[in-house]
Amino acid sequence: GESVGLHLPTLSVQEGDNSIINCAYSNSASDYFIWYKQESGKGPQFIIDIRSNMDKRQGQRVTVLLNKTVKHLSLQIAATQPGDSAVYFCAERGAGSYQLTFGKGTKLSVIP
Amino acid sequence: DSGVTQTPKHLITATGQRVTLRCSPRSGDLSVYWYQQSLDQGLQFLIQYYNGEERAKGNILERFSAQQFPDLHSELNLSSLELGDSALYFCASSVEGVETQYFGPGTRLLVL
Repeated sequence: GESVGLHLPTLSVQEGDNSIINCAYSNSASDYFIWYKQESGKGPQFIIDIRSNMDKRQGQRVTVLLNKTVKHLSLQIAATQPGDSAVYFCAERGAGSYQLTFGKGTKLSVIP
Repeated sequence: DSGVTQTPKHLITATGQRVTLRCSPRSGDLSVYWYQQSLDQGLQFLIQYYNGEERAKGNILERFSAQQFPDLHSELNLSSLELGDSALYFCASSVEGVETQYFGPGTRLLVL
């Protein structure tokens, strides 16, 4: 079946810098996308989501960008903090589906 | 804290055995999802229940089964366990099934 993937498996950033985590998806019928953060030993934590009728959505220090033309999703974290260190997963859901398909994750390490 | 609870946190058992994992969804959520997370497979969707009925099935083995009870808690039963079943098992819940899924802390299963 179609799948969601991540360009970079690991990302190291300096504290205070901005982080960008990328995700490519292949299902053009997907209409909902979501980013989760998973800290070691914990369950995935919802960060932000976006529907396919939008191309940008902002939260607190986070922004998700959706480019449907190239089927690309990104998560931007402003002023990255040590507490942002975690694995980040993107996930997509096909139109009419209840099932989320997850990418393999990107590990973000913040250097103090 | 997502509001989703899972028990037990850790489970160690032997090959061939059967275990039951339990999940209580967030208050008001009707949908429950089960996921398996292993090092080499990432987060894999297993099955979804909505208000007591099975709604969607993913890559769930025939040795695995689930149910959702009238009080909306759910149980995942894993039988004839194999070494490869060792993984983190997560439960998630959402209001009706097309919104954000909130994950529990997971059950870490180790099959020896």
